[in-house]
Amino acid sequence: DTGVSQNPRHKITKRGQNVTFRCDPISEHNRLYWYRQTLGQGPEFLTYFQNEAQLEKSRLLSDRFSAERPKGSFSTLEIQRTEQGDSAMYLCASSLGTGYSPLHFGNGTRLTVT
Amino acid sequence: DAKTTQPNSMESNEEEPVHLPCNHSTISGTDYIHWYRQLPSQGPEYVIHGLTSNVNNRMASLAIAEDRKSSTLILHRATLRDAAVYYCIRPGGGADGLTFGKGTHLIIQP
Repeated sequence: DTGVSQNPRHKITKRGQNVTFRCDPISEHNRLYWYRQTLGQGPEFLTYFQNEAQLEKSRLLSDRFSAERPKGSFSTLEIQRTEQGDSAMYLCASSLGTGYSPLHFGNGTRLTVT
Repeated sequence: DAKTTQPNSMESNEEEPVHLPCNHSTISGTDYIHWYRQLPSQGPEYVIHGLTSNVNNRMASLAIAEDRKSSTLILHRATLRDAAVYYCIRPGGGADGLTFGKGTHLIIQP
């Protein structure tokens, strides 16, 4: 169990640029989740996948946000035309998805939009 | 709205027990209570979960009130490494996409 891996750890971008983050879940986990966390707040659920199917995306913050998990393994989260308000920690989690299985989180990608 | 209520912060001494309360008065009969914690600069970490009866694992114990409107996370002997934000959570997203509140910031004094 190598844990959930997220890259990059930090990303600084200028307003208006597009950014993409990658998440590699624990290998046998078929569920993958994206969260956003701003300073002083708990993580905010964005979307999740069951294998390659995106089963919940109504919580994505705007149509500038999109996520993919093309082969049911790693996932990417893209933010288009970034805004300063997008500055946050973006967290990925995975779980086995059978019965209740705990979420295993990565250490996140910190995005700073200047 | 999957609401829980926790104190903003609590302070305890090292090697003493810690009781972290959580109110979830609108919980449904089938919703589990989950606890996660987040150490500085890390993602959240699973601690424990339960439905009706008290639960124990190597990290903590979870005491759930008989009416299920509240629960208490118990750290039996706190260490400095237990200093973290502790989240009490009810289901709120899709398929266990848990909804986190602000949690309780636990401070451990040496």
